[in-house]
Amino acid sequence: GAGVSQTPSNKVTEKGKYVELRCDPISGHTALYWYRQSLGQGPEFLIYFQGTGAADDSGLPNDRFFAVRPEGSVSTLKIQRTERGDSAVYLCASSFSEVNEQFFGPGTRLTVL
Amino acid sequence: KQEVTQIPAALSVPEGENLVLNCSFTDSAIYNLQWFRQDPGKGLTSLLLIQSSQREQTSGRLNASLDKSSGRSTLYIAASQPGDSATYLCAVITGANNLFFGTGTRLTVIP
Repeated sequence: GAGVSQTPSNKVTEKGKYVELRCDPISGHTALYWYRQSLGQGPEFLIYFQGTGAADDSGLPNDRFFAVRPEGSVSTLKIQRTERGDSAVYLCASSFSEVNEQFFGPGTRLTVL
Repeated sequence: KQEVTQIPAALSVPEGENLVLNCSFTDSAIYNLQWFRQDPGKGLTSLLLIQSSQREQTSGRLNASLDKSSGRSTLYIAASQPGDSATYLCAVITGANNLFFGTGTRLTVIP
């Protein structure tokens, strides 16, 4: 079946703008994760959903970042008042349930000018 | 906080050579450990998952071992090929249910 998909693949925006990044997990996967990867670094955890609820949002850097998963499938990561330091690749992953193997999407490369 | 370290940061080997990539983690209370491959500008491809109760997993030319008590894992690649060139990342999952990643080992296999 289809893997995890993310849109857009690339997003260029100006400082101060609002952006939304979308993730479509593998069908049937209840757990969904967002990570952020800066150049030369490993991915860093942002937020984890089990079903519709955010089970752990401790990785969100500040209140400009917010994520939703209203129907327990697609998730949207929202960033308000973007800053240049937000530039990174945003990765989404899903797994069948908690502590199972995570499968990653191709990522969205966000560039804030 | 869990910290994951990968050594070496970069490695170049001639084609056909066997090689070992190392991963260490500071908190041994993990549920599992996962090895990934990342090609430039791409997402992560899962290679192997080792449950905390297991000591190793094999897939084709890849073998991953886990020594939970000492906080170490190795990824062994047999008979390396140029197509194996990529960055290899290890990650552990703890009770917090998210993956903690190392910074990766960038592997180059020279034809």
